[in-house]
Amino acid sequence: DQQVKQNSPSLSVQEGRISILNCDYTNSMFDYFLWYKKYPAEGPTFLISISSIKDKNEDGRFTVFLNKSAKHLSLHIVPSQPGDSAVYFCAASPQTGANNLFFGTGTRLTVIP
Amino acid sequence: GAGVSQSPRYKVAKRGQDVALRCDPISGHVSLFWYQQALGQGPEFLTYFQNEAQLDKSGLPSDRFFAERPEGSVSTLKIQRTQQEDSAVYLCASSLAGPEEKLFFGSGTQLSVL
Repeated sequence: DQQVKQNSPSLSVQEGRISILNCDYTNSMFDYFLWYKKYPAEGPTFLISISSIKDKNEDGRFTVFLNKSAKHLSLHIVPSQPGDSAVYFCAASPQTGANNLFFGTGTRLTVIP
Repeated sequence: GAGVSQSPRYKVAKRGQDVALRCDPISGHVSLFWYQQALGQGPEFLTYFQNEAQLDKSGLPSDRFFAERPEGSVSTLKIQRTQQEDSAVYLCASSLAGPEEKLFFGSGTQLSVL
């Protein structure tokens, strides 16, 4: 039972354009959301996070939007660069006291030079 | 060290063999997590330590899986009598304090059970 879903397994974008990666979740108890980026043969690395009390968090070229009523979040990368090509995982955590993260299945982003 | 270190990087085991996977977390990190990532899937939680105490092992798929962190630093994930369905990448992650802190992942151990 996948509680965090990334329905697009892959996405290709031209360099300089916007990349939008989407994530849906089913558990209304999720309180904290994160995006991780993973290069081949490496572990995931933290990218950006958002708490449920916010609807937007921005860090440089990366912005995460949260729509709690729709149980949906998205990651925007502007402008996209070839070095952004990687697998992006959405993750969610229940309210405080949670020990673990629930991950989506990932979206492979390819930025075309 | 500078990051989370896992060894071996690759492990091939015959079905029924026992394996031990090692994780060296970032020095000073209190929390340590093990995740299992099957091909084409996201990481799935296995177990969590705070220092030497195993506070959550709800994700361990069977009693063939055992994890320990006896001195609150290095951790070992042991899988007894490996099965083909155990084939996956096993990721270790650590964080400075509690589980709400940002996780730093190692590169993982890719286990293939033949």
